Amino acid sequence: EPEVTQTPSHQVTQMGQEVILRCVPISNHLYFYWYRQILGQKVEFLVSFYNNEISEKSEIFDDQFSVERPDGSNFTLKIRSTKLEDSAMYFCASSDPDRPPNGAQHFGDGTRLSIL
Amino acid sequence: EDKVVQSPLSLVVHEGDTVTLNCSYEVTNFRSLLWYKQEKKAPTFLFMLTSSGIEKKSGRLSSILDKKELFSILNITATQTGDSAVYLCAVGGIQGAQKLVFGQGTRLTINP
Repeated sequence: EPEVTQTPSHQVTQMGQEVILRCVPISNHLYFYWYRQILGQKVEFLVSFYNNEISEKSEIFDDQFSVERPDGSNFTLKIRSTKLEDSAMYFCASSDPDRPPNGAQHFGDGTRLSIL
Repeated sequence: EDKVVQSPLSLVVHEGDTVTLNCSYEVTNFRSLLWYKQEKKAPTFLFMLTSSGIEKKSGRLSSILDKKELFSILNITATQTGDSAVYLCAVGGIQGAQKLVFGQGTRLTINP
């Protein structure tokens, strides 16, 4: 069964450094998402992406965050200058409303980001 | 503000028991409600519900949505230790690239 893959599985970074989290969505899916889950808290929406542009973003997704689809398969989340509070599990997801089950988002295993 | 509330937060039962997990929501532009199972890493998709009163079933798991009362339940019958996980409820909004609003999850533990 096709799946969303994310790399790396764990990233440790010094505060203030830039970090790029990578995702390969399910082939032929058209909608891409990033979510994060701080330890012990709910999964929170960050951003959705369609047709090479951001569809929606949350308040968390400020100017320090950016997303890109640099080629036909990768989808990246960049945090420009990391803060301690960025420490979390970051999940990538993809969906395609035209494929059953319609619109269900499928998640990758996540990248655990630790900011020191 | 959109809100999804799950109950109970934690549940411990014996293998073979039947469990019911609850999810209530208050969101604008409701389109769908989804259930996921989260074991160690990725939330794994279980069900997507869009219409009231129509039960979705997969093996020992089933789910139903009540759009009038704004809630959904997830039933697991004849539970097994492999059902131990956090079960997440999420609600999706407008069509297309819909953001999901998640509940806090129910941690289910099945003891042998």
